[in-house]
Amino acid sequence: GAVVSQHPSWVICKSGTSVKIECRSLDFQATTMFWYRQFPKQSLMLMATSNEGSKATYEQGVEKDKFLINHASLTLSTLTVTSAHPEDSSFYICSAREGRTTNEKLFFGSGTQLSVL
Amino acid sequence: LAKTTQPISMDSYEGQEVNITCSHNNIATNDYITWYQQFPSQGPRFIIQGYKTKVTNEVASLFIPADRKSSTLSLPRVSLSDTAVYYCLVGDRNDKIIFGKGTRLHILP
Repeated sequence: GAVVSQHPSWVICKSGTSVKIECRSLDFQATTMFWYRQFPKQSLMLMATSNEGSKATYEQGVEKDKFLINHASLTLSTLTVTSAHPEDSSFYICSAREGRTTNEKLFFGSGTQLSVL
Repeated sequence: LAKTTQPISMDSYEGQEVNITCSHNNIATNDYITWYQQFPSQGPRFIIQGYKTKVTNEVASLFIPADRKSSTLSLPRVSLSDTAVYYCLVGDRNDKIIFGKGTRLHILP
């Protein structure tokens, strides 16, 4: 099946620094990618939707200047957490699909555990 | 708000068949129903998808009644490794993929 590679798997950073998370579709072209965050024992919360070549659409309450999303190619999307603070510590997950219809199944990365000290 | 409703948690024993039902009263005509499985500290993975009646693959079966307002994921002869959270999703016209709370399935020896 299709593979989505997400790196890094975990990262520890100091408060105030920026962290970049990469999400790559390895064997298909991802027209649409989604970024989620997940707190322990909770469901995935959609942060933003990005279509290749266009600006990401952020969910209400998600600061676009803090969570920078770039989807510059059909195989790569990045999420940069700028000026990270301890409350940004969470599990971040990307997903990708080949087309634009919501009925297409999603392929997920393995997630990134971010810990901000 | 999520468009689906599932039991928060379920317990079962190894070797049993487990059925998880999802309610989606406002499902649209073009919507498919998709189930995902998530293990701790991992991204979800696709299990099965269906539109109506019954779909079966090597992992599970999906039963969808004629009115399509609910669906049931059936896991045959579960093992300890099936302990996970299971999410039921339906399409969204706004192109968003919103996860509900999911069902936390705990398999006991």
